[in-house]
Amino acid sequence: GAVVSQHPSRVICKSGTSVKIECRSLDFQATTMFWYRQFPKQSLMLMATSNEGSKATYEQGVEKDKFLINHASLTLSTLTVTSAHPEDSSFYICSASRAEIGNTEAFFGQGTRLTVV
Amino acid sequence: LAKTTQPISMDSYEGQEVNITCSHNNIATNDYITWYQQFPSQGPRFIIQGYKTKVTNEVASLFIPADRKSSTLSLPRVSLSDTAVYYCLVNTGFQKLVFGTGTRLLVSP
Repeated sequence: GAVVSQHPSRVICKSGTSVKIECRSLDFQATTMFWYRQFPKQSLMLMATSNEGSKATYEQGVEKDKFLINHASLTLSTLTVTSAHPEDSSFYICSASRAEIGNTEAFFGQGTRLTVV
Repeated sequence: LAKTTQPISMDSYEGQEVNITCSHNNIATNDYITWYQQFPSQGPRFIIQGYKTKVTNEVASLFIPADRKSSTLSLPRVSLSDTAVYYCLVNTGFQKLVFGTGTRLLVSP
């Protein structure tokens, strides 16, 4: 089946620094990818929709200048957490869909555990 | 807001059948119903998807009544490794997926 790969799987950074997370669709092209964050014991919260070749669409309450999204190719979207602070510590997950006639199935990356110290 | 409502948690024992029901009263004509499974510190994993009636694959069955306002995920003979959070979602095409609370299933020996 289709695979979405995230890198890194976990990262620890110092407060004030920036961290980049990559999301790749390994065997299909994804014009649209999605970024989520998940706090412990909570559900996934959609942050933004990443569109290949255009600006990302952010959900209400998500700071676009803090969470920079770049979707430069049909197989790669990146999320950069800028000037990270401890409250940005979370589990970040990306997803992409492969279109098939009649239905779509979203494939999720394995997630990135970000810890800001 | 999530389009679905499901129980927060369920408990079961190994070998039993587990049925998790999800309500989606405002499902649109073009929406499909999809269930995902999530283990701690992992991304969600696709389990099954359906539009109407019954769908079965190697891991689960999905029952959808004629009005499509609800659906039931059936896990036959669960094992300890089925302990996870199960999410029911409705979506059309490349729509963004909005996750509800999910159902935390605990399988005990």
